[in-house]
Amino acid sequence: GAGVSQSPSNKVTEKGKDVELRCDPISGHTALYWYRQSLGQGLEFLIYFQGNSAPDKSGLPSDRFSAERTGGSVSTLTIQRTQQEDSAVYLCASSLGPGMNTEAFFGQGTRLTVV
Amino acid sequence: QQQVKQSPQSLIVQKGGIPIINCAYENTAFDYFPWYQQFPGKGPALLIAIRPDVSEKKEGRFTISFNKSAKQFSLHIMDSQPGDSATYFCAASKERTGTYKYIFGTGTRLKVLA
Repeated sequence: GAGVSQSPSNKVTEKGKDVELRCDPISGHTALYWYRQSLGQGLEFLIYFQGNSAPDKSGLPSDRFSAERTGGSVSTLTIQRTQQEDSAVYLCASSLGPGMNTEAFFGQGTRLTVV
Repeated sequence: QQQVKQSPQSLIVQKGGIPIINCAYENTAFDYFPWYQQFPGKGPALLIAIRPDVSEKKEGRFTISFNKSAKQFSLHIMDSQPGDSATYFCAASKERTGTYKYIFGTGTRLKVLA
C-alpha cells in the first residue's frame, strides 16, 4: 500500500479481555516498530522488528504484551487481560532496512479504550 | 542514558514568530536526530532530520541547529503560520550500530495564533 495501515482505527474493550492490533507496513520496508502514545504524552517504544532478526522487545511493559510479524510483513500486537492503564493510541511505523535512510513512516494509530 | 529531554511542553506564538523547541540527549552513541510533526488524530510525520557531522540543516522554513559538544539540538520554525500548529517530537537513534529504535522526546504542543 501507499502508507502504513493500521486496524482497527478505534477499539473499545472490556477490562480483562484480549485485543489484537494489526499493522500493514509499507511494502519493502524491513523494519517495523510499535509505539504507545498515552493522552498528552510522548511516544513510548514497545517493540522493534528488523528482517529475520530476533525482535527487540525491551519496551514491552509487561508479559501481557506480545507481538509477532509474519512473513516479514504484517505485524500483530496482542494485549492479554487488558487493564485500564493500557488505554492509549498504539502507533505502528516502518522503515527501510539498515542504511542511511532511516525515516520511519507512521500509521494513524489504533485508539484503544479499556472500560 | 536512553532519554531524550524535550522542552518546552507547550508554546504559543504569534503568526510570523520563530518558535524554538529544544532537545537534549545523554547517549553519545546516538547519531541520527529526526523531528516529527503530529496533527490531531494523525500519526507523526517526519519533518526534518540531522546527523552530527553538520551543525545546521534547513528545509524550507524549518531549521535544526545541532551542538554536538553540548549534546543538544533544536528546531526553529521561521515565519510560523497557523497551519504549523501541531505537536512536535524530537527523536534520536543509533544508525552506526544498526539499531534503528527511535527514542522520542515528550513532545511540544505548538499553537500559532493568526
